[in-house]
Amino acid sequence: GAGVSQSPSNKVTEKGKDVELRCDPISGHTALYWYRQSLGQGLEFLIYFQGNSAPDKSGLPSDRFSAERTGGSVSTLTIQRTQQEDSAVYLCASSLAAGYNSPLHFGNGTRLTVT
Amino acid sequence: TQLLEQSPQFLSIQEGENLTVYCNSSSVFSSLQWYRQEPGEGPVLLVTVVTGGEVKKLKRLTFQFGDARKDSSLHITAAQPGDTGLYLCAGAPFGNEKLTFGTGTRLTIIP
Repeated sequence: GAGVSQSPSNKVTEKGKDVELRCDPISGHTALYWYRQSLGQGLEFLIYFQGNSAPDKSGLPSDRFSAERTGGSVSTLTIQRTQQEDSAVYLCASSLAAGYNSPLHFGNGTRLTVT
Repeated sequence: TQLLEQSPQFLSIQEGENLTVYCNSSSVFSSLQWYRQEPGEGPVLLVTVVTGGEVKKLKRLTFQFGDARKDSSLHITAAQPGDTGLYLCAGAPFGNEKLTFGTGTRLTIIP
């Protein structure tokens, strides 16, 4: 497809389990971003990649959160030992380049529910 | 600390009315973007404003970037039910490539 693809679209997990969220960006987009959105509110920045490097990891809430990007394409966001407060929609976006003038193209998100 | 505050947080108006939503900050931004998000989907870019004082129009939507580059507004004329959604402003501070999103305005247009 031509857009950003995220999988799974929904994930229900038990507290304490690990989860992996996947993002396939638009082909040719060098920048990739992860955001978290709670209850239809504003977006909370988590991390962004320029190529395979992550210049800014400042938004990751704790050391239970990690992300990687391989081949300048697919990215995986991993949450270890999930907690109930991790429940949210996790949105991935890509852009042609990092920078304020490159619009972000978002996927439809992964809705994570921790029970 | 939330860099971008949007107001109102919720707005419900009748079809055909006009409305304005605001995006304010104490920080200076190199540019501001406006997105609209519908349930179950990711945000979709509406416009980017880059020059202080800039005004952009998209059909019934008018976007303005403040002269001091700290605030922006979105004005909708003759609102339609299709305008319903969550409106988000987003800004990139100078020298920072991280796009920061506002708190959002949830708009409902009643037919």
